[in-house]
Amino acid sequence: KAGVTQTPRYLIKTRGQQVTLSCSPISGHRSVSWYQQTPGQGLQFLFEYFSETQRNKGNFPGRFSGRQFSNSRSEMNVSTLELGDSALYLCASSLLQGDYGYTFGSGTRLTVV
Amino acid sequence: SQQGEEDPQALSIQEGENATMNCSYKTSINNLQWYRQNSGRGLVHLILIRSNEREKHSGRLRVTLDTSKKSSSLLITASRAADTASYFCAPVLRGGGADGLTFGKGTHLIIQP
Repeated sequence: KAGVTQTPRYLIKTRGQQVTLSCSPISGHRSVSWYQQTPGQGLQFLFEYFSETQRNKGNFPGRFSGRQFSNSRSEMNVSTLELGDSALYLCASSLLQGDYGYTFGSGTRLTVV
Repeated sequence: SQQGEEDPQALSIQEGENATMNCSYKTSINNLQWYRQNSGRGLVHLILIRSNEREKHSGRLRVTLDTSKKSSSLLITASRAADTASYFCAPVLRGGGADGLTFGKGTHLIIQP
């Protein structure tokens, strides 16, 4: 079966712009979560969605937002980009929150210049 | 949220040797998951061990869990160059992991040919 698909793979944006990243989970998976990975901070949890509802949010400013659609596809949005938002953004899906392993996508590498 | 701490931070061994890495956590868990990440790519789910299990095997991987000590270990036997990666543990809280997965800095494993 198809894995978790993240688009785009690479993105270059300018400070102050906004960006939308997309994630298509494995078919049948209803839980989608997002992570930011940087060399300095490591892997940090952004938020998790289950059945279109945000179930939890990590410690990120309000510029980071997300949503999940009825087909479980998810998007995350970052507004007013800062240089420090440059990172690898990973999406993961699972059948149920936490009770099964998560399948990760290959990530979107965002560079803010 | 619950975060696992992996130890050691880095490990370098010869191909064919066994590699052991450890994970400690702080509170009661539902399950604990191990992931591998090759450089700059998405995470791969390796194994999930539930709180009522003490040991689990998957191919060359063996995971143990000691809930009384709040610790887990991952053993990779007969290591190969392809095992070179970062390894992360993710304790999932009792209740289904509504906080998503939280990761430590990982163990960076290098297999020398």
